[in-house]
Formats: sequence, structure tokens, C-alpha cells
Amino acid sequence: NAGVTQTPKFQVLKTGQSMTLQCAQDMNHNSMYWYRQDPGMGLRLIYYSASEGTTDKGEVPNGYNVSRLNKREFSLRLESAAPSQTSVYFCASSGLQGARTEAFFGQGTRLTVV
Amino acid sequence: ELKVEQNPLFLSMQEGKNYTIYCNYSTTSDRLYWYRQDPGKSLESLFVLLSNGAVKQEGRLMASLDTKARLSTLHITAAVHDLSATYFCAVASYGNQFYFGTGTSLTVIP
Repeated sequence: NAGVTQTPKFQVLKTGQSMTLQCAQDMNHNSMYWYRQDPGMGLRLIYYSASEGTTDKGEVPNGYNVSRLNKREFSLRLESAAPSQTSVYFCASSGLQGARTEAFFGQGTRLTVV
Repeated sequence: ELKVEQNPLFLSMQEGKNYTIYCNYSTTSDRLYWYRQDPGKSLESLFVLLSNGAVKQEGRLMASLDTKARLSTLHITAAVHDLSATYFCAVASYGNQFYFGTGTSLTVIP
């Protein structure tokens, strides 16, 4: 059971380049998320998808776009990378596990924009 | 927007000592979570607290929830080095979005 898988694990971009972070989950969860983690700031929600075909902005959406391709996959795109987007990115999904809702996280993508 | 405040940000404690991490949140929620993160790793779920007065314990960690005070605590008993990590609380909104505290970086000194 793979859980939440995100790729790549590491990436270095030059300012202005674009890239897409991929995320897939195999737990049949409806909700998926993209967060960024910066020192001293916890995890901040970039975008959220409550179900296939729907996406909503989170706390820090500027500079990002997302696609909920199907129930399993939720991608994050940086159209024109900036140094301020240097961060660790986590994808997560949530759904009912027994009688309660839990969120599960991917292994993270460490992105550096130079 | 739901705000989650966690303190302290950094905690250095000696092995064998007890300490508590605090998590306050700004609006009503029915679900509070505690996660652990080791350096360079992902987040691992520790506890899910669903109701007022809920208490969960696993080993040397005990989490509690007071929904009226909008406060959760993570109590560490007789700390050991293996507990060194960053601990996050997170609160779920009714729209199923998860909001995280800033994290508490715990270092247990032998």
C-alpha cells in the first residue's frame, strides 16, 4: 500500500522556469492538498481539492496552479518559478479511516529556485 | 480563516523530564490532530482527538483536547532521546481543510 506518492523528491530550478509536481494517492480519498513548509512557519495550504473536478485556493496560492486530474492525482504547477518559492512541498490526502477522518502525507519535494 | 498557534517553538529538555506543548486555535472545530516530523522526513500521525475532554496516550506522549477553551496539549513524560523531532498540531475545518501550527522543535538532551 503506497499511500501518497509525490515526485520528484528534489528539484533545482532557475528563476523563470516552470515545473509540475505530481501527486497520487491510492486510498480512494476525496480530498487532496498541497502544502509548503518553510522554517518557523509550519505548513501552509497552497491549494485544496475536495473532490475530483474541484479546487480551491488556500492560504498562499499566488504563483501556483493545480489540476485534479482524477480522483487519484493532484498536480501542482509553478509557471514561472521565483526564489521565494524555494521550499519543501507536501502533498496530502484525507478520508475516512474507520470512524474518523485522517490526513496522510507524501514524502515531500525539496525545491530550490536559484 | 482558522488560525492555529503552537508554543513553544523550540524546546530543549533533559532526558527524564516532563514538559507540555500547547496548541490554541481560533474557531470551533471538531477535529484536532498531532503529527511528528523527523528531520528531512514526512509527517507521521500521532493522535486524532475528536471530542471535548478526549485524551489519547501512546508511550510517553499524551494528548488532550478542550474544545471550549480551543486548546490541545501534548504532554511528554520522562523524555528520551528518541522523542527528538518536530511536533505539529493541526485543526480541521468543517470544510475538511487542515490548518497547522508552526511546529515545536523538541530536542532531548542526554
